[in-house]
Amino acid sequence: GNSVTQMEGPVTLSEEAFLTINCTYTATGYPSLFWYVQYPGEGLQLLLKATKADDKGSNKGFEATYRKETTSFHLEKGSVQVSDSAVYFCALRYSDSNSGYALNFGKGTSLLVTP
Amino acid sequence: DAGVIQSPRHEVTEMGQEVTLRCKPISGHNSLFWYRQTMMRGLELLIYFNNNVPIDDSGMPEDRFSAKMPNASFSTLKIQPSEPRDSAVYFCASRRTSRTNIYGGEQYFGPGTRLTVT
Repeated sequence: GNSVTQMEGPVTLSEEAFLTINCTYTATGYPSLFWYVQYPGEGLQLLLKATKADDKGSNKGFEATYRKETTSFHLEKGSVQVSDSAVYFCALRYSDSNSGYALNFGKGTSLLVTP
Repeated sequence: DAGVIQSPRHEVTEMGQEVTLRCKPISGHNSLFWYRQTMMRGLELLIYFNNNVPIDDSGMPEDRFSAKMPNASFSTLKIQPSEPRDSAVYFCASRRTSRTNIYGGEQYFGPGTRLTVT
């Protein structure tokens, strides 16, 4: 079946450090891939997405490249800020209409950035 | 736009009581999702509506859970009777789906309802 696996957290980094959060997926067909971010006390917000192989999604300094050969969609940022502290979710969208094109989320990775 | 609105934001209830969670999707959105978030299981899709019709309720844990969408601007998730293991944050999300965009636009999440069952 379709599933997403994220690296376990929490991840603690100093400000301006490089960030990588790993995400791998299993899916039939050709899913679309997403990263969502959840700030404390809030709902999830779309951070970036990629809809086909080799696409790179980017937003707010974050990037992720859809790698079909390694079934991965790792999230990266070159220099994190304290304000990036949040929980990050990798997700894929089923490619079949029976599921209503719903999203399947990973368990989330908590990031804490310290000054 | 006010975004997806959920109420209440926090609910504390005793085991055995009925709990009703409410959601108002973004105006113009025709797809609505209910999710449950726990530390152990992460974010789980409970049920999905399209044009007020339930499409996939395979994620609803058991018969104690029910969801309705009587019109395009309102949905409820009811738990009766509630149990301590139902304690979680429940999110509602909506998006717009059309014939020219069958995958739908971005899913917008509400702030969630934190449910505690004692």
